[in-house]
Formats: sequence, C-alpha cells, structure tokens
Amino acid sequence: QVHLVQSGAEVKKPGASVKISCTASGFTVTPYYIHWARQSPGQGLEWMGILNANGASRTYAQSFQGRVTMTTDTSTNTVFLELSRLGSDDTAVYYCAKAAPGASWVDPWGQGTPVTVSS
Amino acid sequence: QSALTQPASVSGSPGQSITISCTGTSNDVGAYNLVSWYQQHPGKAPRVLIYEVTKRPSGLSNRFTGSKSGNTASLTISGLQAADEADYYCCSYAGSSCYVFGTGTKVTVL
Repeated sequence: QVHLVQSGAEVKKPGASVKISCTASGFTVTPYYIHWARQSPGQGLEWMGILNANGASRTYAQSFQGRVTMTTDTSTNTVFLELSRLGSDDTAVYYCAKAAPGASWVDPWGQGTPVTVSS
Repeated sequence: QSALTQPASVSGSPGQSITISCTGTSNDVGAYNLVSWYQQHPGKAPRVLIYEVTKRPSGLSNRFTGSKSGNTASLTISGLQAADEADYYCCSYAGSSCYVFGTGTKVTVL
C-alpha cells in the first residue's frame, strides 16, 4: 500500500530552522512529484511548493522563497522540507503529498508534522 | 498568489444536496481545467475527491460532482450524509508550476 510517513512533532525557537522528512512507503519516490502544504491552527491549507523527487526541479510559493528548501535523499526514499528563520506565524501542521508526473492533484497525503514556534 | 474564495460554511439536512463554490481569477481557475477538491475531517490529512474539475478517483462515491464556469468552480454533494461533515478545500493550478488552495468551507449536516 502507498503511504507517506512524516517525521514527528517539532518545537523550535524563533529564528531557528526546522527540517521535516517525508518517507515513501510502497513506492519509489523518484518518478513522482511531492507537494508541501501547511495548515496553521484553525486555518486553511497553504501551498508551499513542489519538488520533482528526482531532484531535477523545484518550485516554491513566492511567500516562502528565500527561506524554504526542498530536497530528496534517494537512498532512503525520503524527501525533506527545511524552513528557516522561523517566526510564530510558522506554527502549523506541515503536510507532504504525492503527485504523479503531469498530475495536478495529490494522493496520498502524509499524516502531517506539527511544528510549534515559541520562545 | 491570493487564496481562492470559498464560503466559510454550508449546511444541509441528510439526503439534501449542497454546493460549495470556489472563486478565483482568469490566472488560475479560469485559465486551466486543473481544479481539484479535498475533504478533511478534524485532525486528519486531506483526501482528494475531485480532480481536473470533474473527474473522480477510482472507488469514490458518485455523490460528489465537480463543475466549473468561468472563474468559479463548484463541488456538489448529493444525498448528504453525516459522514460528509468536514472541511472542504478547492485547489487550482496557477501557472509556472504553482498552485493555490481555497479558503476552505465547513460543511455541517443538520
């Protein structure tokens, strides 16, 4: 069965960075695209960017450019999201989700990784 | 890129039909037939209901239907059930490999 398994909850101080992993289970991640999105408490979904899991390309939402990095480790079938210069408004649940090549929709989603930014 | 506009809440009685709108611009919803819809229950990850405006993933109930007119996409849920009580989000391709989600709609089954 196809799953995306994300790393556990994180607590960070303002100004720090966080790196979240998303491991593919039941499939090899490299032919696919991985989207990242986040959801602040009680709020809607916010698209952060898309990574071609073979590492060839990535596109970041304008609001995150300059402080977001998406990467792949093919040896562990894992993709990563790193967000730097964290502020309190980065407190959210972060999700990865799989898209087939050329697809505009995602399925499945990871279970989500809560990130809390607090001094 | 601004979020697509959805009504904050929609409600209906069991068995009724409801429609959720998703309004964007000529740069996203209006430009591409690449609108998808997601359902999210509290504390859970979203799941896809509709993709490419009207298509349903294999095995998904035909009670969920999608459509689009101009800059507005819509999701209709027919035969409303208690299990349909959840948050719903639209998502559109916006060009240059970018996507944008809607503001989200809370569906309440009365």
